[in-house]
Amino acid sequence: DAGVTQSPTHLIKTRGQQVTLRCSPKSGHDTVSWYQQALGQGPQFIFQYYEEEERQRGNFPDRFSGHQFPNYSSELNVNALLLGDSALYLCASSVSTGFYGYTFGSGTRLTVV
Amino acid sequence: QKEVEQNSGPLSVPEGAIASLNCTYSDRGSQSFFWYRQYSGKSPELIMFIYSNGDKEDGRFTAQLNKASQYVSLLIRDSQPSDSATYLCAEDSSYKLIFGSGTRLLVRP
Repeated sequence: DAGVTQSPTHLIKTRGQQVTLRCSPKSGHDTVSWYQQALGQGPQFIFQYYEEEERQRGNFPDRFSGHQFPNYSSELNVNALLLGDSALYLCASSVSTGFYGYTFGSGTRLTVV
Repeated sequence: QKEVEQNSGPLSVPEGAIASLNCTYSDRGSQSFFWYRQYSGKSPELIMFIYSNGDKEDGRFTAQLNKASQYVSLLIRDSQPSDSATYLCAEDSSYKLIFGSGTRLLVRP
């Protein structure tokens, strides 16, 4: 049973560029959430996608956008990268019916230089 | 704005001891909480979920929730060096988790 898969694992981008991160949820899960974790901090909620729509959004600027596909996989896009966007980006999947917790992927380490 | 607070540590305990990790939260209406373990450079791994007052035990781990005092704790019995990690407390809040900044635990051999 595959867990949550994220790609790429590491990424280096230049300030001002755009980046796309990808996530495949755990088998049987239909909801995907994205979190940003800066060094030494807990993960911060970016947004959650369900039924291909953004269901809830955290306190992040519009430079952060996402998408969910019919197969439940998801992308996180960040435009106009800032040095402060350097962080570990985590995808978490869950089931919309019932509650069985969130399963996290191994994350994408983004470095903006 | 809802907040979850944790002491950043590090909390250092000898091997075999009980490690006690604590977390406080601001929203009196909060219902359920998670404890995650995160090794350096890795993703969070679920340890416990608790939603009712009192204790919940799973192997060497016991989670405690006290809604009147608005705190959650995690006890790790017979601590092992492999338990050395950052422990994240998270509040389950309407489609999202609100995390504390984590407590770093060091178990000395």
